Amino acid sequence: IAGITQAPTSQILAAGRRMTLRCTQDMRHNAMYWYRQDLGLGLRLIHYSNTAGTTGKGEVPDGYSVSRANTDDFPLTLASAVPSQTSVYFCATRRGVEQFFGPGTRLTVL
Amino acid sequence: QKEVEQDPGPLSVPEGAIVSLNCTYSNSAFQYFMWYRQYSRKGPELLMYTYSSGNKEDGRFTAQVDKSSKYISLFIRDSQPSDSATYLCAMTRGGGSQGNLIFGKGTKLSVKP
Repeated sequence: IAGITQAPTSQILAAGRRMTLRCTQDMRHNAMYWYRQDLGLGLRLIHYSNTAGTTGKGEVPDGYSVSRANTDDFPLTLASAVPSQTSVYFCATRRGVEQFFGPGTRLTVL
Repeated sequence: QKEVEQDPGPLSVPEGAIVSLNCTYSNSAFQYFMWYRQYSRKGPELLMYTYSSGNKEDGRFTAQVDKSSKYISLFIRDSQPSDSATYLCAMTRGGGSQGNLIFGKGTKLSVKP
């Protein structure tokens, strides 16, 4: 693994279904983030974790949950997907003030 | 007023032109100012960042910060078609628990051969 991996790359999901987006890093960075990116709205922070075992809410946390059981993994769960959660989701890590982004997951909720 | 404002463009320039990209912000507590480049269907990648006011140069790229005006700029000299991307400004108060970035919406740049 080199850097940050996200899975799946893309997904089409029926409304009401549960979905977990996966994020794994091999850089041993303590802080990790989930963003969504929408046309005209830019990148918006969903949840973050400053270190394993802790999480915090960002700008748009409703409908999403996260966990941080270890340093490397930071999954994002949509408990019951809705069409407004159609977006591109990016995971990121932080070293100092620099953030590094994964390749993204393109999610469509129908 | 949004914390960070960035003109979304699109901006189209001929190859070789000097490009100026800008952001304004409202929170005087911001200390670190970043520029990210994002190619289509890819994740953002950090181009450069500066601390407080001043200039920073890296090859064809120069970042400027004017904290008194709450205005930051990214200049690209001798622009190339490979510079075509969306450029995102971002800023933060600092690291640690204050390390959350606030992003502008991005400016889409197209450099025509």
